[in-house]
Amino acid sequence: DQQVKQNSPSLSVQEGRISILNCDYTNSMFDYFLWYKKYPAEGPTFLISISSIKDKNEDGRFTVFLNKSAKHLSLHIVPSQPGDSAVYFCAASDRGSQGNLIFGKGTKLSVKP
Amino acid sequence: ETGVTQTPRHLVMGMTNKKSLKCEQHLGHNAMYWYKQSAKKPLELMFVYSLEERVENNSVPSRFSPECPNSSHLFLHLHTLQPEDSALYLCASSQALTGGSAGANVLTFGAGSRLTVL
Repeated sequence: DQQVKQNSPSLSVQEGRISILNCDYTNSMFDYFLWYKKYPAEGPTFLISISSIKDKNEDGRFTVFLNKSAKHLSLHIVPSQPGDSAVYFCAASDRGSQGNLIFGKGTKLSVKP
Repeated sequence: ETGVTQTPRHLVMGMTNKKSLKCEQHLGHNAMYWYKQSAKKPLELMFVYSLEERVENNSVPSRFSPECPNSSHLFLHLHTLQPEDSALYLCASSQALTGGSAGANVLTFGAGSRLTVL
């Protein structure tokens, strides 16, 4: 059973608008969450993260929100740019399972000019 | 070179072949990982090494055999694979094992080795 779920395989957004990518998790022991971005023919690269003791973390155009009661996190990209077109992976870890970062299936974001 | 380097980038092999995937990291990290990415599936953790010792083996078939001769190099030896093993194999490294400190959760990935088993 998937512990980290990204239920939208794809998302299309107009340049300049907001992109919202969603992620749900089932394991209440997760205490750290990350977003990775992957371009074709490249490995995933780290984008932004959030600890379970926070509900928001912002880095430039990227903001991650965490709702622990709903076991939900989201990544907001404002404003979206064509270069943001990539696959975005949500990932989670817990201290009781070191070495085992759990990933979602990914959401393919397309930002149209 | 910097970062995590994987070779070969593409590999086609028959089911009776023996081949190896190589990963090298130049970041001074202490943990290294093999992940498998299949179509429409999440990244699956295969093996984890910390300071050259294997700490995780996620029920991976024995036709996949990892080797970590030192903290900078990681190999995945392949033999008698099946067509369903065709996938993108990603190597990653981190400062320490994920799940520890916040910084340890940041993996640096290589570009991957695209494997096709005929």
